[in-house]
Amino acid sequence: EDQVTQSPEALRLQEGESSSLNCSYTVSGLRGLFWYRQDPGKGPEFLFTLYSAGEEKEKERLKATLTKKESFLHITAPKPEDSATYLCAVQAFRDDKIIFGKGTRLHILP
Amino acid sequence: NAGVTQTPKFQVLKTGQSMTLQCAQDMNHNSMYWYRQDPGMGLRLIYYSASEGTTDKGEVPNGYNVSRLNKREFSLRLESAAPSQTSVYFCASRKDGWNTEAFFGQGTRLTVV
Repeated sequence: EDQVTQSPEALRLQEGESSSLNCSYTVSGLRGLFWYRQDPGKGPEFLFTLYSAGEEKEKERLKATLTKKESFLHITAPKPEDSATYLCAVQAFRDDKIIFGKGTRLHILP
Repeated sequence: NAGVTQTPKFQVLKTGQSMTLQCAQDMNHNSMYWYRQDPGMGLRLIYYSASEGTTDKGEVPNGYNVSRLNKREFSLRLESAAPSQTSVYFCASRKDGWNTEAFFGQGTRLTVV
């Protein structure tokens, strides 16, 4: 059974304090790993897709990396507007399911 | 473009009542999904549809039924609502192809009393 585990559950950082969020996954034949951002009261918003170990993608202060067992979302010099829940999800080759982790709630203090 | 539209946005049901949550997308996507989100539980897949005319169970299908009415619309039905089905429900869609991202609606907040 496909599984996605995210850590930590919650993270509070000072503005400018860089950190990383972790996504560990177990899936038989990874087709793609996705990162989403979710603001309160809204639907998730797509950030990145990664699909091979060693791949990296960047967007503004965010960089996502992928290994064979986990993915990291690195946040460099965060700002208060980066506060949100970050969700990781995986899809296997065998079907169209997209399975999500429980998310990491990130709070950036000004 | 409207993207993914869910109706209603809010609903209160009494235990045992039935209702249908509607979802429509205007992006010509083949795949559609229904998730529920509870505090501390992330998004859990209820049902999905890889194409018009097909539906498959996700992680938590019990108590729900779905209909892929056509390529645009994917509805979720609660036949006899229970308090455990109090949740925020999200619909999503994605096009075919390698690693295409899913687009989400704004959610339906359902309370069963």
